[in-house]
Amino acid sequence: SAVISQKPSRDICQRGTSLTIQCQVDSQVTMMFWYRQQPGQSLTLIATANQGSEATYESGFVIDKFPISRPNLTFSTLTVSNMSPEDSSIYLCSVLHRGNYEQYFGPGTRLTVT
Amino acid sequence: EDKVVQSPLSLVVHEGDTVTLNCSYEVTNFRSLLWYKQEKKAPTFLFMLTSSGIEKKSGRLSSILDKKELFSILNITATQTGDSAVYLCAAPSGSARQLTFGSGTQLTVLP
Repeated sequence: SAVISQKPSRDICQRGTSLTIQCQVDSQVTMMFWYRQQPGQSLTLIATANQGSEATYESGFVIDKFPISRPNLTFSTLTVSNMSPEDSSIYLCSVLHRGNYEQYFGPGTRLTVT
Repeated sequence: EDKVVQSPLSLVVHEGDTVTLNCSYEVTNFRSLLWYKQEKKAPTFLFMLTSSGIEKKSGRLSSILDKKELFSILNITATQTGDSAVYLCAAPSGSARQLTFGSGTQLTVLP
């Protein structure tokens, strides 16, 4: 499996500000994903982070609101822009293991917007 | 649109009981089904199933896939309070193998 770290683990932010979440993996991985889990809900995919090119966003998510970077095969960032209380969620990055296609999750970032 | 449905949504049992969690799916180009345990924030990987009828086992947990009937079950025997969690099943879809999740089953094990 892969060891994945995320920073910050939690944050409380004011409406209208932005927060950047970092995801670091201990080995090179081909696919990295960003998910959101709103309170009481299951996980929803935000986007696939592509190395060296623009992320692929799911329906309902746009680059202006959730810009994503992936400068190399072990690191990605997700920014939550112009936050509102509806953005309060757990944000999770995940990676696809190259060999067996198992997917592993980072520890998550709990974001509260006031 | 790909879909994963879990049942029951919640379950309360006592220590020592055996539970069965269900997951049905409708996924284009099905490749595999994954089970996760979520206690706080991060889902912890349990199993990945690709072949019908082959049970995967880890301690008191086991899981099996039926590709003909499009479902999977997760069994937990001799439950313990530490098994209390949300159990999620998910299936990769799309060319990037991004996961479509079910709504989860909230399991509560009482002492």
